[in-house]
Amino acid sequence: QVQLVQSGAEVKKPGASVKVSCKASGYTFTGHYVHWVRQAPGQGLEWLGRINANSGGTNYAQRFQGRVIMTRDTSISTAYMEINSLTSDDTAVYYCAREAKYSSASDYWGQGSLVTVSS
Amino acid sequence: EIGLTQSPATLSLSPGERATLSCRASQSVFTYLAWYQQKPGQAPRLVIYDTFNRATGIPARFSGSGSGTDFTLTISSLEPEDSAVYYCQHRSNWAFGGGTKVEIK
Repeated sequence: QVQLVQSGAEVKKPGASVKVSCKASGYTFTGHYVHWVRQAPGQGLEWLGRINANSGGTNYAQRFQGRVIMTRDTSISTAYMEINSLTSDDTAVYYCAREAKYSSASDYWGQGSLVTVSS
Repeated sequence: EIGLTQSPATLSLSPGERATLSCRASQSVFTYLAWYQQKPGQAPRLVIYDTFNRATGIPARFSGSGSGTDFTLTISSLEPEDSAVYYCQHRSNWAFGGGTKVEIK
């Protein structure tokens, strides 16, 4: 069965960077895009960007251009999302999600990774 | 950038009632609209994709409609387990709407 398993919770200081991983199993990793979405405490969903797991090509939300880097390692079916220059506003649960073959919607989601930014 | 506005913010209904959730786009997104359900402490779950199509495992009481700028998610007869926040998303820039919280009385 399709699974996306994310790395654990992180606590970072303002100005630092964090890298979250998303290990895929149960499907051909290179056959799909992987999206990243975050959710601040008590808030809605915010799309960060996506990566083509085959080519490595990326699309980022405009407000995160230059601050978010998405990569992947096809040898271990893992996608990564790194965000730098962290502030308290980046405190959120970060989700990875697989883009469906039949649609641009995200049909499978990781369990989420809590990133807390605090001095 | 295309924005999505969802209404109402909260919907409070009794089991068996019909729920109608709205999502309005600032410009046409054709039929590339998806709906997600999110329960507290859980990741979102795909409910509807490309406006009309139910995702795998989604009960038939969920249906989607619309085109262009106005879209609707309908839950024909609410069950207690439908209590959640529902988000719409479009493919033009993958932005999400602000969500509608469905409460079951």
